[in-house]
Amino acid sequence: GAVVSQHPSRVICKSGTSVKIECRSLDFQATTMFWYRQFPKQSLMLMATSNEGSKATYEQGVEKDKFLINHASLTLSTLTVTSAHPEDSSFYICSARDAAGGGDTQYFGPGTRLTVL
Amino acid sequence: GENVGLHLPTLSVQEGDNSIINCAYSNSASDYFIWYKQESGKGPQFIIDIRSNMDKRQGQRVTVLLNKTVKHLSLQIAATQPGDSAVYFCAEMGPGYSTLTFGKGTMLLVSP
Repeated sequence: GAVVSQHPSRVICKSGTSVKIECRSLDFQATTMFWYRQFPKQSLMLMATSNEGSKATYEQGVEKDKFLINHASLTLSTLTVTSAHPEDSSFYICSARDAAGGGDTQYFGPGTRLTVL
Repeated sequence: GENVGLHLPTLSVQEGDNSIINCAYSNSASDYFIWYKQESGKGPQFIIDIRSNMDKRQGQRVTVLLNKTVKHLSLQIAATQPGDSAVYFCAEMGPGYSTLTFGKGTMLLVSP
């Protein structure tokens, strides 16, 4: 099946620093990738939709200047959390939709655990 | 069930029992529904999906039932195993939309 990877799997950073998370589709091309955030014991909340070669579409309440998204190729999207604060600590999950598949299926990555001290 | 604060509704079953996990979805225009399994510290794993033109779909040991009249979705797991222990989420997608909306989740605990 389609595989999506994320790097790093875990990251700890100091408050005020920036952290970049990568999402890669390993065996398919993804024109669209999605970034979610999940707090403990809660559901996944969509942050933004990332389209290859164009600007990301952010959900209401998500600061685009704080969560920078770059979808530079058909297999890679990056999320940069800028000037991270402890309240940004969360589980960040990406998903990707197969461009060739023509369907609605999203394949999820394994997630990145961000801890901001 | 409803998620109140930080408490996930939990379903506890014995190994070998059948499990039924329920989900109420919000958008009557949604036409595609998916169940995901999420183990601790991992991303969601696709289990089964169903389109709105169907009311039942079966997979290996799993069945999804869709009742559009009351906007209700259920996941039935036959002969539940300890490895089925996880949090289960339903997700919905509307027509022409590419984004998924996740439900609140149910934790399934299977005792040997």
